[in-house]
Amino acid sequence: DSGVTQTPKHLITATGQRVTLRCSPRSGDLSVYWYQQSLDQGLQFLIQYYNGEERAKGNILERFSAQQFPDLHSELNLSSLELGDSALYFCASSRDLRNTIYFGEGSWLTVV
Amino acid sequence: ELKVEQNPLFLSMQEGKNYTIYCNYSTTSDRLYWYRQDPGKSLESLFVLLSNGAVKQEGRLMASLDTKARLSTLHITAAVHDLSATYFCAVDEAGNQFYFGTGTSLTVIP
Repeated sequence: DSGVTQTPKHLITATGQRVTLRCSPRSGDLSVYWYQQSLDQGLQFLIQYYNGEERAKGNILERFSAQQFPDLHSELNLSSLELGDSALYFCASSRDLRNTIYFGEGSWLTVV
Repeated sequence: ELKVEQNPLFLSMQEGKNYTIYCNYSTTSDRLYWYRQDPGKSLESLFVLLSNGAVKQEGRLMASLDTKARLSTLHITAAVHDLSATYFCAVDEAGNQFYFGTGTSLTVIP
């Protein structure tokens, strides 16, 4: 157990809908990362927050948004869902910048 | 954009054999990370290599880093079935984000 908690673990939703994935980082970790993993795209970096501020943005679609709250938990919002958004979404956290990042168990999203 | 390339992408090896996975990256980062992922599971941190020439070993796995060549290797010694997994290397770009390689899917055959 890495100490990074993600909910929900599994989610099935219809196209066009909106979902929110939640992440609680390890105690004391200031940085949160979101990744998308699918069979054809591999592990794709979406976005990083550090102490509440957006730090880096990767291949995140405009339909997706995220934020990190004052208590350092983070949420990833996915809207206008398409079939191709079906993937495993990971949250990861690290103590500070340039430290090992630890992954949560992931949230399986299936769009039907 | 920083690129991280691993090879091979797929590796099937017999138990007891040795093999090496290679990770090339395009930046001057001085640290590199190796992760393991079992199918449908999370990524588990294996090694952190923090400087040129760094070598870390854990059981049958040994990782090394050559920052001048921008190359890291993960060497598997006398493979066993339990090592079957996907292995990722990752490079961080000055604390901005982690770039992961494509992963190497390793299957150890009895």
